[in-house]
Amino acid sequence: DAKTTQPTSMDCAEGRAANLPCNHSTISGNEYVYWYRQIHSQGPQYIIHGLKNNETNEMASLIITEDRKSSTLILPHATLRDTAVYYCIVRGDYGGSQGNLIFGKGTKLSVKP
Amino acid sequence: NAGVMQNPRHLVRRRGQEARLRCSPMKGHSHVYWYRQLPEEGLKFMVYLQKENIIDESGMPKERFSAEFPKEGPSILRIQQVVRGDSAAYFCASSSRQGLDGYTFGSGTRLTVV
Repeated sequence: DAKTTQPTSMDCAEGRAANLPCNHSTISGNEYVYWYRQIHSQGPQYIIHGLKNNETNEMASLIITEDRKSSTLILPHATLRDTAVYYCIVRGDYGGSQGNLIFGKGTKLSVKP
Repeated sequence: NAGVMQNPRHLVRRRGQEARLRCSPMKGHSHVYWYRQLPEEGLKFMVYLQKENIIDESGMPKERFSAEFPKEGPSILRIQQVVRGDSAAYFCASSSRQGLDGYTFGSGTRLTVV
């Protein structure tokens, strides 16, 4: 089962930053934090991942606290098309079969005009 | 560079028939994962395969379900003697390096059992 805790839902105004929190208090040293999203009925889409440093790409930024027990995904200028379920997943570099992505319930983000 | 290709997009089967779902991974990807999403529920891991090998099938139902990823050709998820409870969206994902750089998902196959 997923080892993360996320709010069930969040709203965000169009054009504003969307900050999606995730708690992963039992994360271990070799586990990465991944974020995916699923827009209604489509396949999940990879967004970003990180280990301990903050990361940024063309889609989002990932801020990981120094103790690594929580993180925040930031969509800097949310649009209506960002309305989706966002999944925070902890996954280790274990090798073999133990590194599969396990999806929890995620956060349903609604971007409103 | 085509993404993960799944076909068919929609599949309707009568109870008792067989369903075959196909997944062609992204070019250069040798790891394939199958997930199932029941209506209004989250994604559930089913099976992880590499070429000609099943690495982890811990999420597969014990009966009627099987998966393969042959040396040549797509990965196949096969459901025998389908029942109404098998109606779901089935997503395939592929990755390189066991997914450390993220998985790429296909658009899914929507199976409806009537």
